[in-house]
Amino acid sequence: DAGITQSPRHKVTETGTPVTLRCHQTENHRYMYWYRQDPGHGLRLIHYSYGVKDTDKGEVSDGYSVSRSKTEDFLLTLESATSSQTSVYFCAISDLSGSGYEQYFGPGTRLTVT
Amino acid sequence: GQNIDQPTEMTATEGAIVQINCTYQTSGFNGLFWYQQHAGEAPTFLSYNVLDGLEEKGRFSSFLSRSKGYSYLLLKELQMKDSASYLCAVSVTGGGNKLTFGTGTQLKVEL
Repeated sequence: DAGITQSPRHKVTETGTPVTLRCHQTENHRYMYWYRQDPGHGLRLIHYSYGVKDTDKGEVSDGYSVSRSKTEDFLLTLESATSSQTSVYFCAISDLSGSGYEQYFGPGTRLTVT
Repeated sequence: GQNIDQPTEMTATEGAIVQINCTYQTSGFNGLFWYQQHAGEAPTFLSYNVLDGLEEKGRFSSFLSRSKGYSYLLLKELQMKDSASYLCAVSVTGGGNKLTFGTGTQLKVEL
């Protein structure tokens, strides 16, 4: 299994508070991604990174920001959490391999905004 | 943008064969991936197709037809542990090696 960890694994927070989720990898992969997964919507890309300090928006980036100051860490921040951001958040990593750029996922963070 | 369609649910019998279809509409196609996701767990990579044809990996095979925008995942000798959601995802050119996922097919394997 790819070495990917996410912290925290579960979090309950109140509307209006800032929240930061961390993704840490030990694989030295170039690309890192943040997704959210909601019933009926599947996995949707929030932001991604293609290198240290290089990030770009995904499909559902409003209300989220990211930072990548080191290869191994990719942070997702909810600037002011809302109930619509209650979801399961997955981090993923990828790099060129024999099967193209398949992505490997972390265990997920379940976030509840009350 | 991309549009990916797959059936919401399927049911099959232990020991049987099941085919899960995925159709997509996209520009700049750069590959199709299948993932398996058990309830409460992270998706895990199953297969990758970039050229037309069949890729076989043990009990699982995946087929791609780029001209038809169509793929399927074939699961043979079904086991109870194959009960899971199967996600079809498309990669497009344009940087970042981003994936767009379908909403997944929930497969239930019964005795």
